[in-house]
Amino acid sequence: NAGVMQNPRHLVRRRGQEARLRCSPMKGHSHVYWYRQLPEEGLKFMVYLQKENIIDESGMPKERFSAEFPKEGPSILRIQQVVRGDSAAYFCASSPPGGGYEQYFGPGTRLTVT
Amino acid sequence: GENVEQHPSTLSVQEGDSAVIKCTYSDSASNYFPWYKQELGKRPQLIIDIRSNVGEKKDQRIAVTLNKTAKHFSLHITETQPEDSAVYFCAASKSGATNKLIFGTGTLLAVQP
Repeated sequence: NAGVMQNPRHLVRRRGQEARLRCSPMKGHSHVYWYRQLPEEGLKFMVYLQKENIIDESGMPKERFSAEFPKEGPSILRIQQVVRGDSAAYFCASSPPGGGYEQYFGPGTRLTVT
Repeated sequence: GENVEQHPSTLSVQEGDSAVIKCTYSDSASNYFPWYKQELGKRPQLIIDIRSNVGEKKDQRIAVTLNKTAKHFSLHITETQPEDSAVYFCAASKSGATNKLIFGTGTLLAVQP
């Protein structure tokens, strides 16, 4: 049973470009969470999605950030007009249907903004 | 708002000794408390968790205790080994519309051979 998949693993963008991060949940999981980890800090919740629905986006910055989880395909975290402060590791996690408590994390995407 | 505090930020022990990491949470409605281990450059890995209807849970060398009244929970690692060296994060969440995890700031555990 494949775990949570994320790609790309490393992404370099210049200031002002767009970054697209993808997450495929574990097989059978329908809940996806995105977290951001700044260098040498803890993980901060960003957004919680189910298929075609954003359930909780209380941790998302108000501008430039958006997320989706379409009926088909991976969940996507999109950052427009990236700035240096967006440099971080972005992790997604998935949990089973029914709102199971356990969240299993993907390997993360390390975004570097130059 | 919701907050989780974690102590200590760094912990160095000799191989074979025990290690204890403590967390406190602010939201009394929190009812799920996982612990994650994160090695350098790797994903957080769920190592043990506890729900609010239980006071203690053990899995081999790892145990977690929960004190709901005081709103704190602890991770205990016995007979530490060098491969236990990593950053450990506690977290808290509450069932409801969202199960988002609120993480502590992490503890860097170094086990000296």
